[in-house]
Amino acid sequence: DQQVKQNSPSLSVQEGRISILNCDYTNSMFDYFLWYKKYPAEGPTFLISISSIKDKNEDGRFTVFLNKSAKHLSLHIVPSQPGDSAVYFCAATRTSGSRLTFGEGTQLTVNP
Amino acid sequence: DSGVTQTPKHLITATGQRVTLRCSPRSGDLSVYWYQQSLDQGLQFLIHYYNGEERAKGNILERFSAQQFPDLHSELNLSSLELGDSALYFCASSLNGNHLRTAYGYTFGSGTRLTVV
Repeated sequence: DQQVKQNSPSLSVQEGRISILNCDYTNSMFDYFLWYKKYPAEGPTFLISISSIKDKNEDGRFTVFLNKSAKHLSLHIVPSQPGDSAVYFCAATRTSGSRLTFGEGTQLTVNP
Repeated sequence: DSGVTQTPKHLITATGQRVTLRCSPRSGDLSVYWYQQSLDQGLQFLIHYYNGEERAKGNILERFSAQQFPDLHSELNLSSLELGDSALYFCASSLNGNHLRTAYGYTFGSGTRLTVV
């Protein structure tokens, strides 16, 4: 039972344009969501998060949007840079718990 | 360097064998989490230890076991290995028992790539 899904295995965008990565979840008990970025041969690193009491959180070039009714979140990167090329994982959790449930990841490639 | 150290980085072993993966958490962190990433899949939660005690267990096979020692490092033991156990195994740490209190989620190590042949 895949409770968190990232339906796009890969995404390619031009430098300077917007990157939009999508994530869907099925478990309505999830109330906190995170995005991690992963470079080859490294562990995932935290990027940005959002609580279910909000619908938007912004940090520099990165913005996460949450649509609870649709059980959907997205990560916007504006403007995209070649250094953003990495695998992006969406993760969900309950604030009362300790485990993260991850999506399969989306490989983002930003072309110069 | 995230501050979470995992050894070894690579491990190749035969089916039926037993291996031990080691994790040293970031200085000051009391919680250690283990995750498995199989090919083209997301990270799957295995187990969480806090200050030496098991806090939560995920879909961890009975052939797998873990522990956290008094110095807070953790070991993941995998026995009777099968081809399907080939994966990246990540360790993560956080300050306390609820990762969200750190406001930044976990800090991950760079992983151990296990290949079972």
